[in-house]
Amino acid sequence: VQLLESGGDLVQPGGSLRLSCAASGFMFSSYVMAWVRQAPGKGLEWVSNIGPDIVTTHYAASVKGRFTISRDNSRNTLFLQMDSLRVEDTAVYYCAKIWGRGDLDYWGQGTLVTVSS
Amino acid sequence: DIQMTQSPSTLSASVGDRVTITCRASQNIEKWLAWYQQKPGRAPKFLIHDASSLQIGVPSRFSGSGSGTEFTLTISSLQPDDFATYYCHQYHDYPRTFGQGTKVEVK
Repeated sequence: VQLLESGGDLVQPGGSLRLSCAASGFMFSSYVMAWVRQAPGKGLEWVSNIGPDIVTTHYAASVKGRFTISRDNSRNTLFLQMDSLRVEDTAVYYCAKIWGRGDLDYWGQGTLVTVSS
Repeated sequence: DIQMTQSPSTLSASVGDRVTITCRASQNIEKWLAWYQQKPGRAPKFLIHDASSLQIGVPSRFSGSGSGTEFTLTISSLQPDDFATYYCHQYHDYPRTFGQGTKVEVK
């Protein structure tokens, strides 16, 4: 299993960014996928999940209405569209595969998003 | 939201020590709890799921127990590779939530 995030960058407050996560080594279309973030020097924060059906999504209150999770099962890729970015969104963003009900068995290496003027 | 509280926040220990970390949930999460290990600059590593099931490949010195609102992660004999930060994670309800982390450091 390999998960490879990309798209992290320095962006101004109010800006947008799209993260991608390329998956390989497992049947991507069969699994729930997640984004988890970690602000510098802080703990882990769950951001969003998306079901294999593409339709079922869940979001943390801190990002609901600003972030959109999606996936392309034909390309084995997970996305996170981040709009109206805030300074407090600065973090390393990890994509992760969900093994059972919600446990995260494989994680990518993370991509850094910095929101600053 | 379900709050997850780990204790202690920092734990000083020596190689060979038995180490126990506690995670308390603000409401009943049945068995829906996982533990992860994270080292600086690295992604978290999945250790235990469903409160007590060891992930394949994880050394048997790691064990998890508990149900409902109180859970523990135990390392039976601490090894040099085990100095890291440990997080609990509930997946009973949305939003999913993590404990604040427990750093296991060299005594």
